[in-house]
Amino acid sequence: GQQVMQIPQYQHVQEGEDFTTYCNSSTTLSNIQWYKQRPGGHPVFLIQLVKSGEVKKQKRLTFQFGEAKKNSSLHITATQTTDVGTYFCAGNDYKLSFGAGTTVTVRA
Amino acid sequence: DGGITQSPKYLFRKEGQNVTLSCEQNLNHDAMYWYRQDPGQGLRLIYYSQIVNDFQKGDIAEGYSVSREKKESFPLTVTSAQKNPTAFYLCASSIAGLTYEQYFGPGTRLTVT
Repeated sequence: GQQVMQIPQYQHVQEGEDFTTYCNSSTTLSNIQWYKQRPGGHPVFLIQLVKSGEVKKQKRLTFQFGEAKKNSSLHITATQTTDVGTYFCAGNDYKLSFGAGTTVTVRA
Repeated sequence: DGGITQSPKYLFRKEGQNVTLSCEQNLNHDAMYWYRQDPGQGLRLIYYSQIVNDFQKGDIAEGYSVSREKKESFPLTVTSAQKNPTAFYLCASSIAGLTYEQYFGPGTRLTVT
């Protein structure tokens, strides 16, 4: 069945640095969604990517969907303390499968 | 304010008891979902419903039951048959099916001892 893997599981970042988290699917996806969950909170939708090779930006966040529609990445530039949380990708094939998430901590 | 409400925020039960978690939405969404979240495992789908009076099993439906008698409400019952019920339970909704963004409630943390 469809599996979605995310790496790394944990990301410790110095404030101001950049980092990337990756999402890989065992099957071709129709679309991929990204969510953010703050500590103690619930997941909040960030973005959806649909087209092969699509790139979308939200301020310091850049989302990319792979050409084969089996992988995606989230790149954050100039990390801030407000970026703390767990970032989930969710791959959509015939169902939505969530990755285990990348938990981000920031050193001030 | 439009959104999803879940109650209670924390719930404690003794082993062997059934417990029902509440989920209500006023977003006029057709689809609703129940997820279970355990540390390091992401979100796993328990049940989902795309229309009133209809629902489907997700990946981990065993030991759980749901009903969808009203569009706004999708309660989840954790039965005594669920072997490891202690977890964080999240309800979500979307305007239609799985291809649309999901809006999550604040969650219920269930502890069974």
